Amino acid sequence: SQQGEEDPQALSIQEGENATMNCSYKTSINNLQWYRQNSGRGLVHLILIRSNEREKHSGRLRVTLDTSKKSSSLLITASRAADTASYFCATPSYSGAGSYQLTFGKGTKLSVIP
Amino acid sequence: DVKVTQSSRYLVKRTGEKVFLECVQDMDHENMFWYRQDPGLGLRLIYFSYDVKMKEKGDIPEGYSVSREKKERFSLILESASTNQTSMYLCASSLGNIQYFGAGTRLSVL
Repeated sequence: SQQGEEDPQALSIQEGENATMNCSYKTSINNLQWYRQNSGRGLVHLILIRSNEREKHSGRLRVTLDTSKKSSSLLITASRAADTASYFCATPSYSGAGSYQLTFGKGTKLSVIP
Repeated sequence: DVKVTQSSRYLVKRTGEKVFLECVQDMDHENMFWYRQDPGLGLRLIYFSYDVKMKEKGDIPEGYSVSREKKERFSLILESASTNQTSMYLCASSLGNIQYFGAGTRLSVL
């Protein structure tokens, strides 16, 4: 079942502009993660924000989390052509024996035009 | 750096064939996962394993089985491949919440 849903499905911007992607989820979480996928490749972990954090930065990435609205946003500042990729939010659920599953949204496809 | 290696990037098989997709991780992670990714459907979990010889069904296990004889290796098996199993297959390993993915195997079943 899909836990996170990203919005928009696709986003096209000019190089240098900021890109904002949103994620909504349904159940209580203890953290939320964002992943990136270049075309035809595997996913790469970008950032994790815990439920007691409201904002987190990593380089040009800024993530916010609003647990009351069950939503998160990923902002990429000063975008570059190399940021062209699909971006996914993911939420964990405990699956027993100390392990966690992740449920991924369907992703936002970002195109950065040089 | 964590390395998750999938044995093939592209694979073409015929309907009815038995297909093995191999995944190896080098970080001694307990947990390993197999997903398939299809346009419009996102990533869907097929099976996961939290220890050697242990396996758990994910959301879409039908038509698949898995094997984990050694901690570093997790294999996905399509017992009798069908055209609706044409997809991108992604393997991942994790320690805790964060997952590390292989590059993916694009499987075409003709």
